[in-house]
Amino acid sequence: ETGVTQTPRHLVMGMTNKKSLKCEQHLGHNAMYWYKQSAKKPLELMFVYNFKEQTENNSVPSRFSPECPNSSHLFLHLHTLQPEDSALYLCASSPGATATYEQYFGPGTRLTVT
Amino acid sequence: KQEVTQIPAALSVPEGENLVLNCSFTDSAIYNLQWFRQDPGKGLTSLLLIQSSQREQTSGRLNASLDKSSGRSTLYIAASQPGDSATYLCAVSGSNYQLIWGAGTKLIIKP
Repeated sequence: ETGVTQTPRHLVMGMTNKKSLKCEQHLGHNAMYWYKQSAKKPLELMFVYNFKEQTENNSVPSRFSPECPNSSHLFLHLHTLQPEDSALYLCASSPGATATYEQYFGPGTRLTVT
Repeated sequence: KQEVTQIPAALSVPEGENLVLNCSFTDSAIYNLQWFRQDPGKGLTSLLLIQSSQREQTSGRLNASLDKSSGRSTLYIAASQPGDSATYLCAVSGSNYQLIWGAGTKLIIKP
């Protein structure tokens, strides 16, 4: 266990649904990340939060809406997704929001959009 | 724009062999380089982090080297075991200090 949990582990949703992914870290870290991992492609950084403030948004479509109510919790709200959004969504945390710090990853949520 | 490449995409070797995984990057101005392991359903685990001023790092049977000038890193695994079977990912720090990832090498160790 890395100290980062994600729920649900698997999610199947239609293109008109609204769902949310949850991430929680028990490591006392200040930074949290959302990544997208598509089959046979490199991880794509989506969002970075540091001390609850969003510091990075890598041109992610507005159908993905992040929320960080505190340094321990991170959500990814999903609505009107497309089939190409099917992927593994990984959450990570680190002591600070730079690559000088090691990132700790959750097990991911496998999302399928039908 | 930094790009990270990992070759081969997949590798299968008999148990007990020593092996090398490769990672190359296009921009040598990196802050550090990290190797991760990904197991199905278990997320990513950091294996080794090499700072830009370092040439190598070791942890148990793993040794990672870094040659910034040539844009290359290798992960050496000694005396491979079936439990080493996983996907190995390489990532370098980008200009904004965030990680740029390779697509990974899927390693299978045959008993």
